Amino acid sequence: GEDVEQSLFLSVREGDSSVINCTYTDSSSTYLYWYKQEPGAGLQLLTYIFSNMDMKQDQRLTVLLNKKDKHLSLRIADTQTGDSAIYFCAVVPFSGGYNKLIFGAGTRLAVHP
Amino acid sequence: EAQVTQNPRYLITVTGKKLTVTCSQNMNHEYMSWYRQDPGLGLRQIYYSMNVEATDKGDVPEGYKVSRKEKRNFPLILESPSPNQTSLYFCASSRTADRYPHTDTQYFGPGTRLTVL
Repeated sequence: GEDVEQSLFLSVREGDSSVINCTYTDSSSTYLYWYKQEPGAGLQLLTYIFSNMDMKQDQRLTVLLNKKDKHLSLRIADTQTGDSAIYFCAVVPFSGGYNKLIFGAGTRLAVHP
Repeated sequence: EAQVTQNPRYLITVTGKKLTVTCSQNMNHEYMSWYRQDPGLGLRQIYYSMNVEATDKGDVPEGYKVSRKEKRNFPLILESPSPNQTSLYFCASSRTADRYPHTDTQYFGPGTRLTVL
């Protein structure tokens, strides 16, 4: 089945850019998502990209997709302390549906002054 | 206010003592699901429900039961909890299941941290 992998930790200085990486195995994945989980809370959808796109920008967030290498990244520009959270990559295969959503293990982003 | 509520938020119990974690949503959503979150493993789906009286196994259903007698409630039952069920549990709901997260927002509850000794 589908496997989604992420590095577990990332530490950045406030004001720098953060880049969180994700790899997946199923080339039929249609939509790829980034979720944010703040301490003590559930997940919130941050952004997404369709598999026929290479890049999507949404304010401070840039999503890059390398479909050949099955590599997804989330870049956060001008990282702030409020960005400290766990970030999950998730993919949906061609058949779609919430019950098909596959999550990575999550990357804990720590932002220090 | 649209929300998914879970109770209890924290629970410490002992092996074999039956417990129920409640989940309720006030948005008239058809689709509800339970996930467990473990360090290094991310979120894994335990059970999901497409509508009242329609439940199905997710990726890790062993040791769990669910029921969906009313649209708003989706309790998670551990008949005989074991230490390997120590985890952080999330309930989630969305209007339907036959959509993508960017077209049909999925709402998550605040989580229940369960420790089984």
